[in-house]
Amino acid sequence: DIQMTQSPSTLSSSVGDRVTITCRASQSISAWLAWYQQKPGKAPNLLIYKASSLESGVPSRFSGSGSGTEFTLTISSLQPDDFATYYCQQYNSYPRTFGQGTKVEIK
Amino acid sequence: EVQLVESGGGLVQPGGSLRLSCAASEFIFSNYAMTWVRQAPGKGLEWVSVISGSGGSTYYADSVKGRFTISRDNSKNTLYLQMSSLRAEDTAVYHCAKETMKAFDIWGQGTMVTVSS
Repeated sequence: DIQMTQSPSTLSSSVGDRVTITCRASQSISAWLAWYQQKPGKAPNLLIYKASSLESGVPSRFSGSGSGTEFTLTISSLQPDDFATYYCQQYNSYPRTFGQGTKVEIK
Repeated sequence: EVQLVESGGGLVQPGGSLRLSCAASEFIFSNYAMTWVRQAPGKGLEWVSVISGSGGSTYYADSVKGRFTISRDNSKNTLYLQMSSLRAEDTAVYHCAKETMKAFDIWGQGTMVTVSS
């Protein structure tokens, strides 16, 4: 199974900050990586697919990069609505696997 | 609006069984693989199972293999998860999701399964 490791687990930031979350795969997954945002009590929401493609309707302050085993999610200017938990997920092979999540908190 | 709506969750005793359903609308259901993802209280996301659009291929997480069965009825636009030999560690919110080249692009709101005596 491919293990996905996110860092950090928690991130305290202020509105307007640039935020970067890292996701590492235990073996190459090419660009088959997605990022999701989840708020309490809600279903996850797809932000980025194929490592760097922005899902329709997602604000352009979100961006993704990377390939192989190293990936990043960047929020260029953190907004109040962005305080949430973020997960990476590989869909290169089964079983699909998620990172453990990164909670973005208000500083 | 493209939508997935889960149902069938509830309280069940250890060793018991439960069948979850996921009703799909506003997309050609049979064209897409469908998946189940669960989230234990206060924990992260865990992929459970996937079924191909035709229903001919299925995969399971090791944690549920041999106990859970995924199926679909394309004439009813509905996905199922039959869960048996349930354990306390199966307690979670269960989401269905549509799988595409964009990973899981549509999710249902989830249904809670609690395994407890």
